[in-house]
Amino acid sequence: EDQVTQSPEALRLQEGESSSLNCSYTVSGLRGLFWYRQDPGKGPEFLFTLYSAGEEKEKERLKATLTKKESFLHITAPKPEDSATYLCADINDYKLSFGAGTTVTVRA
Amino acid sequence: DADVTQTPRNRITKTGKRIMLECSQTKGHDRMYWYRQDPGLGLRLIYYSFDVKDINKGEISDGYSVSRQAQAKFSLSLESAIPNQTALYFCATSDSRTGGSYEQYFGPGTRLTVT
Repeated sequence: EDQVTQSPEALRLQEGESSSLNCSYTVSGLRGLFWYRQDPGKGPEFLFTLYSAGEEKEKERLKATLTKKESFLHITAPKPEDSATYLCADINDYKLSFGAGTTVTVRA
Repeated sequence: DADVTQTPRNRITKTGKRIMLECSQTKGHDRMYWYRQDPGLGLRLIYYSFDVKDINKGEISDGYSVSRQAQAKFSLSLESAIPNQTALYFCATSDSRTGGSYEQYFGPGTRLTVT
């Protein structure tokens, strides 16, 4: 059974303190690994799709990377506005399977 | 204007009542999805529809039904609401014509409370 596991569950950072979030997946023949950002009370907002091991994508202070078993979301020099829950998902039979998310809090 | 809209945004209802959540989209996407989100459990798929005539159960469809009235509209019904259906409900869309990309785009959500 496809499983997506995210760690840590919560991450508290000081502004400017870089860190990484982990997403591990078990699906074989990965068709895509997705990262979303979710603010409280809002729907998830699409960030990135990664398709193959070694691929990297960047957006402002966020960089996503992919290996054969896991993906990392690196947050470089975060700001308070980067506080959110970050969700990852893989795709199996055209359906996304989501992890439980990592809640990031960045203090000024 | 939002591409994916959901109504109502908040709803409180009593056990045993029938309730419908509605989703409309202006993205022109052919695929639509309903998820529920519970703290610590992430998003779980309830139903999905690849076109108006193609509706499929997700991993947690018991107690729910759906209707795809048009390409742009997908409704979720709780026939007889129970307290453990209290959750955040999200509608999402995707486009099968994007050559292998499967990104889904989410609405703002409906917060449902069953008392």
